[in-house]
Amino acid sequence: GDSVTQMEGPVTLSEEAFLTINCTYTATGYPSLFWYVQYPGEGLQLLLKATKADDKGSNKGFEATYRKETTSFHLEKGSVQVSDSAVYFCALRVNNDMRFGAGTRLTVKP
Amino acid sequence: DSGVTQTPKHLITATGQRVTLRCSPRSGDLSVYWYQQSLDQGLQFLIQYYNGEERAKGNILERFSAQQFPDLHSELNLSSLELGDSALYFCASSAYRGVNTGELFFGEGSRLTVL
Repeated sequence: GDSVTQMEGPVTLSEEAFLTINCTYTATGYPSLFWYVQYPGEGLQLLLKATKADDKGSNKGFEATYRKETTSFHLEKGSVQVSDSAVYFCALRVNNDMRFGAGTRLTVKP
Repeated sequence: DSGVTQTPKHLITATGQRVTLRCSPRSGDLSVYWYQQSLDQGLQFLIQYYNGEERAKGNILERFSAQQFPDLHSELNLSSLELGDSALYFCASSAYRGVNTGELFFGEGSRLTVL
């Protein structure tokens, strides 16, 4: 079935470090891909999305490119801030089904 | 603010009891999804409704049930509660059906503690 696999955390970085969180997917159709972020004590918020191959989603300095050939949607940010500390979820949607990865907890230290 | 409202925000109850969680979707959204997030766990999909009809079922226990009303709000009923049911329960809504580009909009969740 359709599924998402993302790198296990937790991930701890120093401020201004480069961030990569890996996400790969398995889907029988043509999914849309999403990254959601969950800040402490809050619900999930959409961070970025891409709806077709080679699309790049970007928001708040985060980027991810929909790579059909490698079935990947890795999240990157060039310089993280303490305020980026959160749990990040990769997700895919095919038709009406939204599947989430297990989440990766990111902690950024000053 | 996502526009999705969940009540109550916090709930503490005892084993064996029954609770109801309520969700109001974004204005105009016809689809409602329920997810469970346990400590250090990812999101487990429970159930989805579209315009009052059950659309998809995930890992929802038989002790749990849900419904979506004509005004599109939804309720998740949890009965015969066990300690392991302690979790965050999220509701999400979406405007689309059969169109795969639409994101879900999440409420802030209802935190259930079973003692």
